[in-house]
Amino acid sequence: AQTIHQWPVAEIKAVGSPLSLGCTIKGKSSPNLYWYWQATGGTLQQLFYSITVGQVESVVQLNLSASRPKDDQFILSTEKLLLSHSGFYLCAWSAQGKDSDYTFGSGTRLLVI
Amino acid sequence: GDSVTQTEGPVTVSESESLIINCTYSATSIAYPNLFWYVRYPGEGLQLLLKVITAGQKGSSRGFEATYNKETTSFHLQKASVQESDSAVYYCALASITGNTGKLIFGLGTTLQVQP
Repeated sequence: AQTIHQWPVAEIKAVGSPLSLGCTIKGKSSPNLYWYWQATGGTLQQLFYSITVGQVESVVQLNLSASRPKDDQFILSTEKLLLSHSGFYLCAWSAQGKDSDYTFGSGTRLLVI
Repeated sequence: GDSVTQTEGPVTVSESESLIINCTYSATSIAYPNLFWYVRYPGEGLQLLLKVITAGQKGSSRGFEATYNKETTSFHLQKASVQESDSAVYYCALASITGNTGKLIFGLGTTLQVQP
């Protein structure tokens, strides 16, 4: 069975500090990977997607970056956090194919102060 | 672009009452998008509740049902008798097409509070 693990569960960070969020998928080779974000009071929106190792596409510009260093790993990061980065971050994966399901991790709650 | 609109919350109902959470969608990237309901229980991540990929069909799970209505572009979530354990945030979503992959377009989420 496939599992998706996200870390950390929660973070409180200072404005201007760096951030790194991680996601690992086990039991599925070559998944499509995604980062979603929800600001307080906002909707979940896709930030990045990756269909293969080393390739990441940005969907929304938020002064964040993402990388896929391994087939099963997806990293979200920034060197300087903004207050507006606060929110809930979700990693997800899907198989190839338009009718595939999306499976989400348990999420990371980020508060920037 | 594609969008999803759903009932604004919070919605408060008493245990054993019926529930309907409205969801309508607008899809421009794909004629008949796959439609989903996701649920987020307190302290947990997002879980797929049900999914329907064919217009006119109904999906069901855990006592919840939703019918894909292409005429009204709706996918309302219903349950005949809610339980306290159904308290959660419910998200309606459609699968949009972006280049050679897809993305889920979510509604704002509806917080459901079931009172004992």
